[in-house]
Amino acid sequence: DAGVTQSPTHLIKTRGQHVTLRCSPISGHKSVSWYQQVLGQGPQFIFQYYEKEERGRGNFPDRFSARQFPNYSSELNVNALLLGDSALYLCASSSATAVTFGSGTRLTVV
Amino acid sequence: GENVEQHPSTLSVQEGDSAVIKCTYSDSASNYFPWYKQELGKRPQLIIDIRSNVGEKKDQRIAVTLNKTAKHFSLHITETQPEDSAVYFCAASPTNTGNQFYFGTGTSLTVIP
Repeated sequence: DAGVTQSPTHLIKTRGQHVTLRCSPISGHKSVSWYQQVLGQGPQFIFQYYEKEERGRGNFPDRFSARQFPNYSSELNVNALLLGDSALYLCASSSATAVTFGSGTRLTVV
Repeated sequence: GENVEQHPSTLSVQEGDSAVIKCTYSDSASNYFPWYKQELGKRPQLIIDIRSNVGEKKDQRIAVTLNKTAKHFSLHITETQPEDSAVYFCAASPTNTGNQFYFGTGTSLTVIP
């Protein structure tokens, strides 16, 4: 069962650095969304992409960007990392009837 | 944008008792309301959902109710078991946005054997 695949699973970065997180959706799912989950809080919506176009953006600074590729995989990029960017980053892929979350990438900024 | 509030933040119940978690939302355009269970270190897992054209939905020990007029929805777990212990999140999704979810702050449920 090929679910939503995220890489890497864990990552440690230094303040000011750049990070790229990757997501491969379930085969057949054309929509991918990204969420940030800070410890002890609910996931916060960052971006949604559908058919390679941005369909929605949450309340995040321009340091956060994303894109979706022709094979529907997606990247989330974060520039100029801050300590507060430390979180679990979740990718969700969806069809018309189902939404599935990946296991996430745990980003620690030191 | 959508704002979802969730209460209580923590809930402890005796095994076999019922648990109720309540959420309110602000955007009248929201029409899909999933509930997720998240165990420590794991991904959120969908446990039940409801759409705005339905007032109640039940799946074995779990039920969800929706009051669109009041903009609130609730999760009911009956005959709780220790394995129900986890963090539960409600979410709301505005019309036609696919997987754009706005989550509540979570309820940590502990079922005491």
